[in-house]
Amino acid sequence: NAGVTQTPKFQVLKTGQSMTLQCAQDMNHEYMSWYRQDPGMGLRLIHYSVGAGITDQGEVPNGYNVSRSTTEDFPLRLLSAAPSQTSVYFCASSTPGTGNEQFFGPGTRLTVL
Amino acid sequence: SQQGEEDPQALSIQEGENATMNCSYKTSINNLQWYRQNSGRGLVHLILIRSNEREKHSGRLRVTLDTSKKSSSLLITASRAADTASYFCATRGGSSNTGKLIFGQGTTLQVKP
Repeated sequence: NAGVTQTPKFQVLKTGQSMTLQCAQDMNHEYMSWYRQDPGMGLRLIHYSVGAGITDQGEVPNGYNVSRSTTEDFPLRLLSAAPSQTSVYFCASSTPGTGNEQFFGPGTRLTVL
Repeated sequence: SQQGEEDPQALSIQEGENATMNCSYKTSINNLQWYRQNSGRGLVHLILIRSNEREKHSGRLRVTLDTSKKSSSLLITASRAADTASYFCATRGGSSNTGKLIFGQGTTLQVKP
């Protein structure tokens, strides 16, 4: 199993550009989440999904969109990037009934100029 | 707002010593989890303790939970240089099973050889 994969690993954007961060998991996990990690801030939940077709907002959803058309994939879209979105983004997946132990991807380091 | 607050923010010890990290949280929880993050990597799950448990062990890790004080501690015994990492507590709240975890800000541990 590849686990949770994220692409790209690094990305530089200009203010106003759009892009999609990809996340995929091959563990058949129902739950998937997106977090951002800023220095000294720990991880903050952006959006999450409890299954295909179901998404909900987390703690810091503004500026981000998600969709979940399949169990495997959970892309995160930045429609108009801002410097405040410079961060490291982590995708995670988990399965219900295990206490929600989460499996994390390696992260995407995004810089918005 | 973040659920967990960790103390200390940074800890430096010699190899072989024990390391203790503390986590406090604000609302009722279903379980509390500890994760490790090596520099530049995603988070890795270490241990989970449920709200009706008071202590749990896993190898050199010992976790305690005091729900009356809304706090938890992680003890790493006989530390090794390879334990150098950031450690995060995360809480899953209440009865709703949404897969949401709320993370603390983390403790950075340095173990000197």
